[in-house]
Parts: sequence; C-alpha cells; structure tokens
Amino acid sequence: DIVMTQSPDSLAVSLGERATINCKSSQSVLYNSNNKNYLAWYQQKPGQPPKLLIYWASTRESGVPDRFSGSGSGTGFTLTISSLQAEDVAVYYCQQYYSIFHTFGQGTKLEIK
Amino acid sequence: EVQLLESGGDLVQPGGSLRLSCAASGFTFSSYAMTWVRQAPGKGLEWVSCISGSDDATYYADSVKGRFTISRDNSKNTLYLQVNSLRAEDTAVYYCAKAQGSSGYDPLHYWGQGTLVTVSS
Repeated sequence: DIVMTQSPDSLAVSLGERATINCKSSQSVLYNSNNKNYLAWYQQKPGQPPKLLIYWASTRESGVPDRFSGSGSGTGFTLTISSLQAEDVAVYYCQQYYSIFHTFGQGTKLEIK
Repeated sequence: EVQLLESGGDLVQPGGSLRLSCAASGFTFSSYAMTWVRQAPGKGLEWVSCISGSDDATYYADSVKGRFTISRDNSKNTLYLQVNSLRAEDTAVYYCAKAQGSSGYDPLHYWGQGTLVTVSS
C-alpha cells in the first residue's frame, strides 16, 4: 500500500495569515504517461462529510475559493491557504488515487491562533 | 444536483451482518465508479472498497477483504455494501462517494452524509 504522511498533525494560524500543510507519499504518485499526480486534498468540518478541494495535485474543485492552492509532484505535496478565514477551521486530508487501493493521510487539524 | 443518501447503519453484535445502501441521484449512476470510505469515531478516513463504473470490477482494503462485498444496482441507482463477520474495529461512519470518473483511479467528487455502524455486545 502507498502510505501517505501529513505534517504537521495540527496547526494554529492567525486569521489572514498563511497556512501550509504537507503530504508525503511512500512512492511516487506521478503517472508518467499522462504527467498527472494522482493526489487530492479534502476538507472535513465537524459533523460533515469530507469535501474535495484539490485534485491532480493542483486543480481546484469548482466553487473552492482561490485562497486554496495545491502544489508538488512525485512524492511531496503541499496545500496552502493564502489568507486564513474563520470558516477554514477543519481537518484536512491528502489522498492518493494512483493505486486503486486509495489511501489517505492521517489528517491535519487546522485551528485559529 | 448530485445526491448520495446512505442508510442501513445500526447497532450490531460482533459477528453480525448488515447491508448498507447508498441511493444516488443527479448523475448517470452507471457511468461512475463508486466507493465506500469509513471513519471510526474521532479518527481519520479509511478507504474500504470501490466498484468500477466501466466493468463492475471490485476492490477491497485488506482489513475487510473476505468479509465485505460491494455491489451496485444500476436500475435502482443504488450502491450496496454487505458487511459480514463484524468486529468492534468496524465501528465507524460509512460514507459512500462518487468518483470523478469510471475507473476508480479518480478523486472522490461527491460524498454522502454517512451511516453509522456500531459493533458492540
């Protein structure tokens, strides 16, 4: 199985400041034939199901604010929130779908400082 | 509008069985891979099983292989998960999710609200 490891486990950021969450995969999730990274980011607020934010490592889902961005390739990826808003408090998960046996990171809890 | 509505969760004794259902609407159900993901109380997300939208191929996490069976009824726009030989560690909210494509090698585009399975004596 591809193991996904996020850092940090929790993060406290002031409103309006930048938040950065990292995700590492135990093997590359870059598919060479189409040059796509099979990596997604999800946001989960308390009592709600996860919501897709970013896929193919850097493509923002429709309706997701542009303060959310994804970057990285191969085995290292980053989710950045450029200016934290109160509604961004949530747990964030990365996920690989390079293998049909998808795996998720352990989650990063984002709070307001 | 895509909607996914899970049902069938319940309190069940260890060794028991349940059938979870996910009623889908708002898209051409037969054309998309569908996935079950679970979340134990206070824990992270665990991928459980997937069924392809192209050839109905099925895939399972090692933790449930041989005990869980995923299936779909395209005439009813419904996804199922038969869960047998339940263990305490299967206690979780079970979400169904629609993949972005038919193969399963896709992000999970839409999620239902989940159904709670509790395994306890």
